[in-house]
Amino acid sequence: SQTIHQWPATLVQPVGSPLSLECTVEGTSNPNLYWYRQAAGRGLQLLFYSVGIGQISSEVPQNLSASRPQDRQFILSSKKLLLSDSGFYLCAWNAGGRTDTQYFGPGTRLTVL
Amino acid sequence: AQSVTQLDSHVSVSEGTPVLLRCNYSSSYSPSLFWYVQHPNKGLQLLLKYTSAATLVKGINGFEAEFKKSETSFHLTKPSAHMSDAAEYFCVQMDTGRRALTFGSGTRLQVQP
Repeated sequence: SQTIHQWPATLVQPVGSPLSLECTVEGTSNPNLYWYRQAAGRGLQLLFYSVGIGQISSEVPQNLSASRPQDRQFILSSKKLLLSDSGFYLCAWNAGGRTDTQYFGPGTRLTVL
Repeated sequence: AQSVTQLDSHVSVSEGTPVLLRCNYSSSYSPSLFWYVQHPNKGLQLLLKYTSAATLVKGINGFEAEFKKSETSFHLTKPSAHMSDAAEYFCVQMDTGRRALTFGSGTRLQVQP
């Protein structure tokens, strides 16, 4: 069966520090991968998605970036965090093709102070 | 651009009474629609999905949703609420091109004893 992992589960970082959040998927190959952010009291916003290694599409201009160095690995990064980057970050995958159900990881709670 | 509107930000019901969470989606020829549930500080769990089969969709934990094209609605219902149903519920529409999800702003369901 497929499993999606995210780490760390929680993170507290000072403003201006770098960020690296990692997501990996097991049990499938060539998944579509997604990063979403949920700000406090709000719904989820799509940040990035990837249909293959090295292929990243950005949905929202900001100081975050994403990379997909391996088929089942998706990384969210920032060189300098802002206070507004605080939130709950969720990674998701689906099998691509005509499959439409997305499966979510457990999330990372990021607090920028 | 797609938009999903959840008409109530908070719904409070008594245990054992019916639940109705309302959602309107962007008009689309063949929409893919989902309901996800999020318990506090947890990831998202798929409750049910509609992908142009039966208009009444049954999901997990006794939830179901009815697709009404004429009203562009996809309301979530449950005949009898349990305390464990207290959570945040998201109505979601898939962009069939990017296969990415557009989330409603969420409805927080409270269940009173």
